[in-house]
Amino acid sequence: KAGVTQTPRYLIKTRGQQVTLSCSPISGHRSVSWYQQTPGQGLQFLFEYFSETQRNKGNFPGRFSGRQFSNSRSEMNVSTLELGDSALYLCASSLAETNTGELFFGEGSRLTVL
Amino acid sequence: QKEVEQNSGPLSVPEGAIASLNCTYSDRVSQSFFWYRQYSGKSPELIMSIYSNGDKEDGRFTAQLNKASQYVSLLIRDSQPSDSATYLCAVSRGIKAAGNKLTFGGGTRVLVKP
Repeated sequence: KAGVTQTPRYLIKTRGQQVTLSCSPISGHRSVSWYQQTPGQGLQFLFEYFSETQRNKGNFPGRFSGRQFSNSRSEMNVSTLELGDSALYLCASSLAETNTGELFFGEGSRLTVL
Repeated sequence: QKEVEQNSGPLSVPEGAIASLNCTYSDRVSQSFFWYRQYSGKSPELIMSIYSNGDKEDGRFTAQLNKASQYVSLLIRDSQPSDSATYLCAVSRGIKAAGNKLTFGGGTRVLVKP
């Protein structure tokens, strides 16, 4: 069974640009969450989607957005990139609708903003 | 004060010894608690979950929960060099509205020396 797939794995952008990251969850998983991981702040929750609906949103500015498609694949977008957006962006999928805490993480997309 | 606090370490443990990791959380309504392991350069993976006060054992791992003290711990018995990783404590409100949102601590880095 294929795991969570994230693309691209690495990318370099400049300030002011925008970026779109993609996540394909494990087959059958309808919940997709996004996290930002940095050395200083650790793993921080961005948002979660379930059946194409955003259920929860973390404390990030509106420049961070996401969506989920009918096949459960998800994308997140960051507009007007800032240096501080450099991070590892992790996508996680879950089979359960809620509260198992059993998240399966992808390998991440490492974004560098210059 | 961070919502979930962990000692960043590194926690240096001789091979075969017990590694003891601690985690405190501030949100009293938290109901579900998890330990994830993250190897360097890899994504987190779930190793333990605990929902009720007391101990829960799984192989060489034991999770302990004390909701009154807002404290969660993880014991790793017979530590092996392969246990060298960062261990992340995560909590969830455990209600349907929270979905699969997890709040992570900063992680404790564990080094097991042969």
